Amino acid sequence: DAKTTQPPSMDCAEGRAANLPCNHSTISGNEYVYWYRQIHSQGPQYIIHGLKNNETNEMASLIITEDRKSSTLILPHATLRDTAVYYCIVIKGGGSNYKLTFGKGTLLTVNP
Amino acid sequence: NAGVTQTPKFQVLKTGQSMTLQCAQDMNHEYMSWYRQDPGMGLRLIHYSVGAGITDQGEVPNGYNVSRSTTEDFPLRLLSAAPSQTSVYFCASSHRQDQETQYFGPGTRLLVL
Repeated sequence: DAKTTQPPSMDCAEGRAANLPCNHSTISGNEYVYWYRQIHSQGPQYIIHGLKNNETNEMASLIITEDRKSSTLILPHATLRDTAVYYCIVIKGGGSNYKLTFGKGTLLTVNP
Repeated sequence: NAGVTQTPKFQVLKTGQSMTLQCAQDMNHEYMSWYRQDPGMGLRLIHYSVGAGITDQGEVPNGYNVSRSTTEDFPLRLLSAAPSQTSVYFCASSHRQDQETQYFGPGTRLLVL
């Protein structure tokens, strides 16, 4: 699986958009970008994933660059409850991967 | 749906004691797994199961046993607890066709003295 690089921490003002970057320059053509988050003392939570196209769901949007070497998770209107560690994971899709490898992620702090 | 549930939420053990961490899911997921998370480290896979009656080892299986007699339940047994097993344990489940999208339980905090 491709290695990912994320900033260790970011701040965001409540109500503003939070843009979390992830670099994955060695991503292969059949690898997906998955995002999870972990709120303090809770289990990780799936957010969104994508292959090539931008994706949006009720939680967030995922923007993947055309060369697929980087992506950005966007929380459009961050709230205090979005304070968490966000993990970008690159992994082969298709239901064949049982193991998720969580790196150190980005600690997003949403400030009032 | 309750999702993935874990009991107990917190447990203190003495070295050498045994115990079972319970995990259950009501989403009819074929795949279930156990991770441990230590301070400053990512989640590490202990054991996993792709269906009832089938289990396999992850990257840190020593000291732990699992069984999968039903689709819903996937208990993790500590045979003889050691201080190195002090950690937070998370259970997760997913559909077999989409194992990358996993649903995690709230965790069990274990302290081994």
